Order: sequence, then structure tokens, then C-alpha cells
Amino acid sequence: AQKITQTQPGMFVQEKEAVTLDCTYDTSDQSYGLFWYKQPSSGEMIFLIYQGSYDEQNATEGRYSLNFQKARKSANLVISASQLGDSAMYFCAMREIAGNKLTFGGGTRVLVKP
Amino acid sequence: SAVISQKPSRDICQRGTSLTIQCQVDSQVTMMFWYRQQPGQSLTLIATANQGSEATYESGFVIDKFPISRPNLTFSTLTVSNMSPEDSSIYLCSVGETGHNSPLHFGNGTRLTVT
Repeated sequence: AQKITQTQPGMFVQEKEAVTLDCTYDTSDQSYGLFWYKQPSSGEMIFLIYQGSYDEQNATEGRYSLNFQKARKSANLVISASQLGDSAMYFCAMREIAGNKLTFGGGTRVLVKP
Repeated sequence: SAVISQKPSRDICQRGTSLTIQCQVDSQVTMMFWYRQQPGQSLTLIATANQGSEATYESGFVIDKFPISRPNLTFSTLTVSNMSPEDSSIYLCSVGETGHNSPLHFGNGTRLTVT
């Protein structure tokens, strides 16, 4: 079974509007971390935001915020006031205690329209 | 965060040959990983590079095809051996500390094309 599921392969968003990218995960661990990365067309992987499994508050980082619903095992990324430079692939990832590795979802391609 | 230098940034290779990719970090890091990103796909972990010992490979990846070295806490290499066109991918080095609450940071990747 997939550990990280991103159901939206692609999305269009109007410049200056907000967009929500979905991410659901599957783990039996109590302690885990959830991460979002941005990959522009240049190919680099840029770390955006982190949410810990024990964090009671939703994480925020500038225009990025995380809508964390632990019981539903979802960690959706919200990008507010979209900019043209936000056009990229976005990956949700989870890091569990075992192995210390990051497991990635399939990604969502976001295209911001002027 | 650490500065990660990955070389080469891209290469075009003939089938049957091998390519060694280097990953150099400007500070000591506990964890180093190698990922593969096939065209249009997500990132898949190849292996965890262990300092001074054999790498830990994920299911579907073997040492003979992807030998990895990690002589110290700042450097690792990944070799793609006996290449075929199916090996055409982006290969990414990733580094970080232990713990599920610590992000991993990535090099800029090596874009490999096998002809």
C-alpha cells in the first residue's frame, strides 16, 4: 500500500489566489514527520514546511501553511496569494523513525495563471 | 542548512558504461541518501549511504548495479553500472540528521541520459 498519496496530479490556480494541495499518509508509528517540498522546472528540491505528529498547532511558514488532521491522516499544504514563481511540482513526504528515510508521494504539478 | 555539491550536473552516456556521481557536503552530516527520479515520476530511495560500511539498499536496488561509497561524514559516491536507457533519470543526493522531525536537504541532482 502507498504510504503517501497525492490525489491531484495537476492543478491550475489564478495568481493571487490560494490553493490547497492534498496529501494523505499511512503509518502505524506514533512519531513521524510530514514534509512538503517544491521542485521547480530546474529540478532542485526545496524544503518548504514541516509538521510533527505531536504538534497541536498547524505549521506555518510565510505563505505556506499546513492543514494537519491527524485522525484523518491528512496533511494538506495551503499556498496563499499564489505567485507565478509558485509554478512547480510539489511533493508531500513522510519521515518515520525506522530507517530515517523520506518517503514521497507522487506529486502535484501546480501552474499559476496570470 | 548544509551546502550540497553534486557532480556532474548532467551527463550523456553510452549503454554498457558506468558513471560515478559525487556528493560533497560543506559540513558533517549523519545521514546521506541517494534517490532516483525517473522522468515524470516521484523520488524513489535507492539506498542509505553508511559511513565506513556497506550501504543499505531498498527493495529493487542492488549493490552490483548501484555501488555506493561513503568514506567520511561529508562525502559519498553513487555509481550507476552497466547502464541501459532505463537508467535515464535524475539522481539526487540527500543529507540530514537522524530523527523524524528533521528535514532532508537535497543536492541539485545529476540528470543522466543513457543512449
